[in-house]
Amino acid sequence: DGGITQSPKYLFRKEGQNVTLSCEQNLNHDAMYWYRQDPGQGLRLIYYSQIVNDFQKGDIAEGYSVSREKKESFPLTVTSAQKNPTAFYLCASSQSRYSRLKAFFGQGTRLTVV
Amino acid sequence: QKEVEQNSGPLSVPEGAIASLNCTYSDRGSQSFFWYRQYSGKSPELIMFIYSNGDKEDGRFTAQLNKASQYVSLLIRDSQPSDSATYLCAVHTGRRALTFGSGTRLQVQP
Repeated sequence: DGGITQSPKYLFRKEGQNVTLSCEQNLNHDAMYWYRQDPGQGLRLIYYSQIVNDFQKGDIAEGYSVSREKKESFPLTVTSAQKNPTAFYLCASSQSRYSRLKAFFGQGTRLTVV
Repeated sequence: QKEVEQNSGPLSVPEGAIASLNCTYSDRGSQSFFWYRQYSGKSPELIMFIYSNGDKEDGRFTAQLNKASQYVSLLIRDSQPSDSATYLCAVHTGRRALTFGSGTRLQVQP
């Protein structure tokens, strides 16, 4: 089945620890995105990538890092510099910047600081 | 001013009624407009998209776009309890990723 797979579904982070959220897609989409959602809030853009080996900061990139070494993969690392990481993290992909940006989402990763 | 604004609700309608959800945006250069439905604890699901002024219908859903007034709306006809969810408006503002509103929570009363 084609789609976007995020793992794990739930993740617990200790203070001062880096954690990496996985996002894999088999839709052959060029563009991939990471959003963060806090309770009762909309989605805020963390990072996006239009092509392999290239990515851009979004509105709230501080404390996060990404890589795009393969077309199908766009992992997000939440570093210890992110002071309030508890949130719902959503990965999305779209065919390209020219496809009017119909974006489709994975099932999300819920991160909690313990 | 937020780039994309929605009333947070909740918007409560009786079963079988028309639900009307509204969204305004600030960037006049915006080109593409999307409605996502998000059930509690789940990820957003694309339900409608519109690029040109006017109406676009798909089943019980109608998206309406008025670029001169900078608003986009979603009508849900014959509302069902299963339509109860948060509806997110998203706009392509010329940057390389969608910008989302904070969502409107819809409650359909049986």
